[in-house]
Amino acid sequence: AAGVIQSPRHLIKEKRETATLKCYPIPRHDTVYWYQQGPGQDPQFLISFYEKMQSDKGSIPDRFSAQQFSDYHSELNMSSLELGDSALYFCASSPRDRPQETQYFGPGTRLLVL
Amino acid sequence: AQTVTQSQPEMSVQEAETVTLSCTYDTSESDYYLFWYKQPPSRQMILVIRQEAYKQQNATENRFSVNFQKAAKSFSLKISDSQLGDAAMYFCTYLGGATNKLIFGTGTLLAVQP
Repeated sequence: AAGVIQSPRHLIKEKRETATLKCYPIPRHDTVYWYQQGPGQDPQFLISFYEKMQSDKGSIPDRFSAQQFSDYHSELNMSSLELGDSALYFCASSPRDRPQETQYFGPGTRLLVL
Repeated sequence: AQTVTQSQPEMSVQEAETVTLSCTYDTSESDYYLFWYKQPPSRQMILVIRQEAYKQQNATENRFSVNFQKAAKSFSLKISDSQLGDAAMYFCTYLGGATNKLIFGTGTLLAVQP
């Protein structure tokens, strides 16, 4: 079965640079979620989109922005990167914007900021 | 605010034995969903099992089952016939209310001894 695709899988950036993470949800899933997992920590919710509109927002820094496109893929844009942004960034998708729908996770993008 | 507590940072089990991972949560909502996700060394986030709060019957998925005690706000995971591949970090996770963000516990690292 098709899974959530994330690219790139690994990314190394310098401080103050920008990064763009991409997420391609499971086919026919119209809701996308972004989570950040720091070293040794549990994942923290950043933001979600349903039908190309932002549906919920968590602890996402103002330096980050995200959007969902007409084909339902999503991009997380990160500017003025800081050392503390080094983390594993997960994208998840679900079939609809309802609490009862299970979120399926992609493999994650490992971001290292030097 | 909803919280999820996993009081066992680490657990160990012998191969083929049974182990139970504990989880408690706090919420004022009556309708919500609980999940156990597994994160092996690859750091992929894999769904293990899900429970709807309105269902009294405990969820079961092959060797994995839960003991859901709604009044006590307890949601433990039992792994039977443990296998080496079960070694991973296990996250107890809550989803409910108007928000669609998953709230994770701090995780329990399970080691399986051959």
